[in-house]
Order: sequence, then structure tokens, then C-alpha cells
Amino acid sequence: GIQVEQSPPDLILQEGANSTLRCNFSDSVNNLQWFHQNPWGQLINLFYIPSGTKQNGRLSATTVATERYSLLYISSSQTTDSGVYFCAYLSGTASKLTFGTGTRLQVTL
Amino acid sequence: EAQVTQNPRYLITVTGKKLTVTCSQNMNHEYMSWYRQDPGLGLRQIYYSMNVEVTDKGDVPEGYKVSRKEKRNFPLILESPSPNQTSLYFCASSSGFGTGELFFGEGSRLTVL
Repeated sequence: GIQVEQSPPDLILQEGANSTLRCNFSDSVNNLQWFHQNPWGQLINLFYIPSGTKQNGRLSATTVATERYSLLYISSSQTTDSGVYFCAYLSGTASKLTFGTGTRLQVTL
Repeated sequence: EAQVTQNPRYLITVTGKKLTVTCSQNMNHEYMSWYRQDPGLGLRQIYYSMNVEVTDKGDVPEGYKVSRKEKRNFPLILESPSPNQTSLYFCASSSGFGTGELFFGEGSRLTVL
């Protein structure tokens, strides 16, 4: 299967800082999504971004499908941004989402 | 509000006591699926359904059953739970099979003693 590598694996930020999370794929993927799993375990949809750039408030995402990567930008981070960020792609077989290993983000005061 | 609703959110049970985790979506989605999340193993697909009365196994179906009698509901049944089914479970839905955005429920944390 297609390998999904996320970097960095762990990130500690001070409140107000900006960050970029990266997701690399070993081959072309479809239907890329970004999720935030909060400390209570909830999976929150951030972006559905097969290609191009999208923005939602302090968050934005860019997918360059031809170069097999996606980026998630977090600006002016807040403590509520803490948690694990996953990218995931949809594989046709069983319409299954395959998740990356995640980036664990901690935002401190 | 568009959402996927799971119940219960938290449950502690004992080995062998049948239980059902319900999942309901209000987006008229055809596709629904179940995942479990375990430390070090990530999220793995248990079962999926392409439409009413159409279900199939995912990667880890052993010990689980599902049914899809109505479009909006996709319950996960553990006929005889065992401790290795202690996990965080997620239901998900999307408008199409093999395409589109997948929406997840809030998760159900199950502990089997």
C-alpha cells in the first residue's frame, strides 16, 4: 500500500506561534483529508483537500498532488489546538481511509 | 446540523455480554463504516456499507457484526465481547463510495473487563 509519512512526529509551541505540518505520500493519492484528534479522542474534520489550497480561520492547507505532499498551516496557535493531527487518503478498495502516523502538537501558555 | 451520532460514548462492560454501539447520520449518506483506534496500530476499518442491505468486511471484522436496514443507521454489534475489543470506536459516513469527504462520529470508548 501507499506509505504516509507525517512530520514532525511531535511539536511543542508557545501560544501565538505558527507551525507547518507536512504529509508525504509514496504515490499519488485521492481524496486527502486532514483531521484533528483532540485530547478527548474526538476526530474533527479540518479539510477535505484533494488538491489546491483552502483556508478556514487560522488554519489553511495545501495539497500538491503531483509532488505527493500536503501541508497544514496553523497560525497564531492556541492551547485548544493541542492534540494529534492526521492526514489521511481514501483508497478505492472498501472506500477506506488510510491515516498517517500523526503529528502530536502541544501548545503551551 | 450535519452530524454522525454514536452511542454510547463511554461503556465499561464484561466479557461475553452482548452490546450494540449505535451510529446514525443525518446527511442522507449512502456510505458508512466503522473503525477502531488502538495505540500503536492507528485506525483500522472494521466493516463498511455501500448502501442499505449492502455490507462488507474491512481489515479487522473478527468478533463484530453490522447491519444496515435503514440508510441513516449502521449499528456495530459485539455478540460476545472480549478484552481485546477494548478500543476507541468511530463511525463514519460519506456521500459516495471511493470518493468524497468522510465524516466521523465523536467516538465510543469501550472497555471490556
